[in-house]
Amino acid sequence: SAVISQKPSRDICQRGTSLTIQCQVDSQVTMMFWYRQQPGQSLTLIATANQGSEATYESGFVIDKFPISRPNLTFSTLTVSNMSPEDSSIYLCSVGGRADSYGYTFGSGTRLTVV
Amino acid sequence: AQKITQTQPGMFVQEKEAVTLDCTYDTSDPSYGLFWYKQPSSGEMIFLIYQGSYDQQNATEGRYSLNFQKARKSANLVISASQLGDSAMYFCAMREGPESGGFKTIFGAGTRLFVKA
Repeated sequence: SAVISQKPSRDICQRGTSLTIQCQVDSQVTMMFWYRQQPGQSLTLIATANQGSEATYESGFVIDKFPISRPNLTFSTLTVSNMSPEDSSIYLCSVGGRADSYGYTFGSGTRLTVV
Repeated sequence: AQKITQTQPGMFVQEKEAVTLDCTYDTSDPSYGLFWYKQPSSGEMIFLIYQGSYDQQNATEGRYSLNFQKARKSANLVISASQLGDSAMYFCAMREGPESGGFKTIFGAGTRLFVKA
C-alpha cells in the first residue's frame, strides 16, 4: 500500500490566521481525500482532491474556507483559512483507488488547535 | 445512500479474553470494501483489516478477524486474546466500488475499547 507523509503533525494557531497542511504520497494515485475529525467525533470527508481540476467538496465544506491544491499525482495541500476555535480538529489525508492497492492508508494526521 | 452503524459507544474486555465490536452497513453498490481502523490517543489511523464484498472467506490478520455476514450486512471485528495496548478507538468504514464513481470512505461513529488488567 502507499506510504503517506503528512505535515505538520501538530500546530497551535491564532484565530484569524491560516494553516496549510501537506500530504505527500510515495506513488502516483488517482484521488486523494481530506478528512476532518473534530474532538470526540468520527471522521468526516471534507473534499476529494482531483489532479488537474478543482476539488470536489462535501456538503457543509466550501472552497473559501478549505482551499485544496493538487499539482500532481503524488501531492496535495489543504489550507484551513481564517481559523476559529471550532476548526480545532485532527485533519487527515488518504488516498483512493482499489482497496487492495492504495485503498486503506491514511497519513499520520495533523492535530490543529486554534486559540 | 451508504451508511455505517456502530452501536457500541464503549466496550470493556478483560485482558487475554476475546471481544467483538459490532458494525452494520448499508449500500446498494454490489462492489464495496469494509475496513476496520484503530485510533490510539495519538490520533493516527491504523489500518487493521479489510474485507472485500466478493471475498468468500472472512478476513484474518493476526489477532484480528472480520466476521462478514453479507446477507445481514454486518462486518464485526473480533479481537482475540486482548492486550492492554488494544485500548483505543475503533472505527468501521466502507468504501464503495467504481460504479459509485468515488472510492471515498465513510466511517462509523466508533467504539472505544477498554482492556482491563
